[in-house]
Amino acid sequence: GAGVSQSPRYKVAKRGQDVALRCDPISGHVSLFWYQQALGQGPEFLTYFQNEAQLDKSGLPSDRFFAERPEGSVSTLKIQRTQQEDSAVYLCASSLNRVETQYFGPGTRLLVL
Amino acid sequence: AQSVTQPDIHITVSEGASLELRCNYSYGATPYLFWYVQSPGQGLQLLLKYFSGDTLVQGIKGFEAEFKRSQSSFNLRKPSVHWSDAAEYFCAALNDYKLSFGAGTTVTVRA
Repeated sequence: GAGVSQSPRYKVAKRGQDVALRCDPISGHVSLFWYQQALGQGPEFLTYFQNEAQLDKSGLPSDRFFAERPEGSVSTLKIQRTQQEDSAVYLCASSLNRVETQYFGPGTRLLVL
Repeated sequence: AQSVTQPDIHITVSEGASLELRCNYSYGATPYLFWYVQSPGQGLQLLLKYFSGDTLVQGIKGFEAEFKRSQSSFNLRKPSVHWSDAAEYFCAALNDYKLSFGAGTTVTVRA
């Protein structure tokens, strides 16, 4: 079946611009996660959704970062007033439930100039 | 603090030779453990996982990993590497719902 998909795959933004990153999880997966991967590093947890409820947003770096999953399926990660330090790969993952295997999308590579 | 450590940043191996990637975890209880592989410009692909039971787990692409509680380790092995195994490998531990990743090991395969 279809895996996790993310769009866009690449995004170049000027500093101060707002961006929106989309994630389509595997159908039927209740749990959805966002991770940030800086160059040469392992992914770092950003936020977690169970259906439409955002149960943990402790990893979001600042209040410029906002995530939503209004209908319990597609999720959007929004970054306002982007800064150069926001440049990274943003990975989305989904799983059947919170303690099951997480399956990752291809990621969105964000470059802020 | 709970953490996952991959001691080797970069490993070079000849095609056909064996490969072992090290992973150590620091958790109060045994977490669920995973190995993922990431090719350039790609997302993370699951190689294998350990939840409980048999400490030697088999994965895709001919990989296996052994969980050793006494050493807090979950090392990944492959008996004979192929050029297509060149990639970055991440060990991860699941604590409740959060995955914590090691810094990764880059594997280069030489002909």
